[in-house]
Amino acid sequence: GAGVSQSPSNKVTEKGKDVELRCDPISGHTALYWYRQSLGQGLEFLIYFQGNSAPDKSGLPSDRFSAERTGGSVSTLTIQRTQQEDSAVYLCASSPRQGRGEQYFGPGTRLTVT
Amino acid sequence: RKEVEQDPGPFNVPEGATVAFNCTYSNSASQSFFWYRQDCRKEPKLLMSVYSSGNEDGRFTAQLNRASQYISLLIRDSKLSDSATYLCVVNGMSGGSYIPTFGRGTSLIVHP
Repeated sequence: GAGVSQSPSNKVTEKGKDVELRCDPISGHTALYWYRQSLGQGLEFLIYFQGNSAPDKSGLPSDRFSAERTGGSVSTLTIQRTQQEDSAVYLCASSPRQGRGEQYFGPGTRLTVT
Repeated sequence: RKEVEQDPGPFNVPEGATVAFNCTYSNSASQSFFWYRQDCRKEPKLLMSVYSSGNEDGRFTAQLNRASQYISLLIRDSKLSDSATYLCVVNGMSGGSYIPTFGRGTSLIVHP
């Protein structure tokens, strides 16, 4: 079946602009995660959605970052007033089980802020 | 202390060798554990879950030691295609949610 998809695959933006990144999880997966990975670094947790519960936003690095998940499926991560340090690969993952399950990752969006 | 720690390596081994990686975690209430594989400039892919009794999948064996708070991955008969970064993942309770914490990965290079 179809895996997790993300768009765009690459995004180059100027400092100060807003960007929106999209994630389509695997159908039926109730949990959805956003991470970012800087070059040569590990995965940094950003936000977690589980069904209709309030998201866990504990990993968002600043109030410039926000995310929503509509209808329990598609999610968008928005970064306002982008900064150069926001440059990274943003990865989305979905999981069939609440919180403790295996995750399936999308190919990521490579964001470059110039 | 980092929540999940791995030796970054690289582990440089010849084809056919057996290699083992460990991963330590600090949250004693952690509930589930996984190994992922990440190729250069690609997304992580699930390799295997880790169960308390230990589990095997072909050439790969994973084990969990709750008392000492570490998980391990053993790769037998290494192949060139095993070259990748291996990430351990620990799911632990944080602020009412089970949040996965990734180690920074161990790099494996298998050479002819």
